[in-house]
Amino acid sequence: AQSVTQPDIHITVSEGASLELRCNYSYGATPYLFWYVQSPGQGLQLLLKYFSGDTLVQGIKGFEAEFKRSQSSFNLRKPSVHWSDAAEYFCAFAGSSGDKLTFGTGTRLAVRP
Amino acid sequence: EAGVTQSPTHLIKTRGQQATLRCSPISGHTSVYWYQQALGLGLQFLLWYDEGEERNRGNFPPRFSGRQFPNYSSELNVNALELEDSALYLCASSLSGLGGGYEQYFGPGTRLTVT
Repeated sequence: AQSVTQPDIHITVSEGASLELRCNYSYGATPYLFWYVQSPGQGLQLLLKYFSGDTLVQGIKGFEAEFKRSQSSFNLRKPSVHWSDAAEYFCAFAGSSGDKLTFGTGTRLAVRP
Repeated sequence: EAGVTQSPTHLIKTRGQQATLRCSPISGHTSVYWYQQALGLGLQFLLWYDEGEERNRGNFPPRFSGRQFPNYSSELNVNALELEDSALYLCASSLSGLGGGYEQYFGPGTRLTVT
């Protein structure tokens, strides 16, 4: 079955610390991968995407993600977290153009002052 | 450039009534997607429209329906509302999904509460 797993439901980090949010996918081929962020009561903002090519992709707000085919993973990273990064983060994939997005269950990030 | 817009922001309905939610895509985008984000159920795909046609449908009953207008805006209708339909309904748009569009950009959502 096609699925996305985000193993961490909640993560708390100190401001200025590094961050890594985990995402694993299950799909028969290389999917199109995305990370979105959602602030409380808001819609989703696209942070970054991976379609093909360079496996390390840069996004907005200082985020990056690395695609590892051998591990079926697409982990999100940020070297130094800011208080404004506190939000819920969703990993998602699409199998093809026009395909629906399949989302993980999300990771809620809290930032400690 | 304006993003995806949705109206209304909040909607309160009684069980058994009908709800209509509206979405305007980013200019130049022809694909519109609808998702439901219900507490405890995560983000679930509802419907995909492109060029005025329904292209794909998620695992939802027929009382969830919609349409896409010639200007590519879209409407989601939920008939015979049930308490479990209470959720945040998110609309997303992309360049034509039929023509290679992949990235979906989301609106702020409509919060539907069924009492």
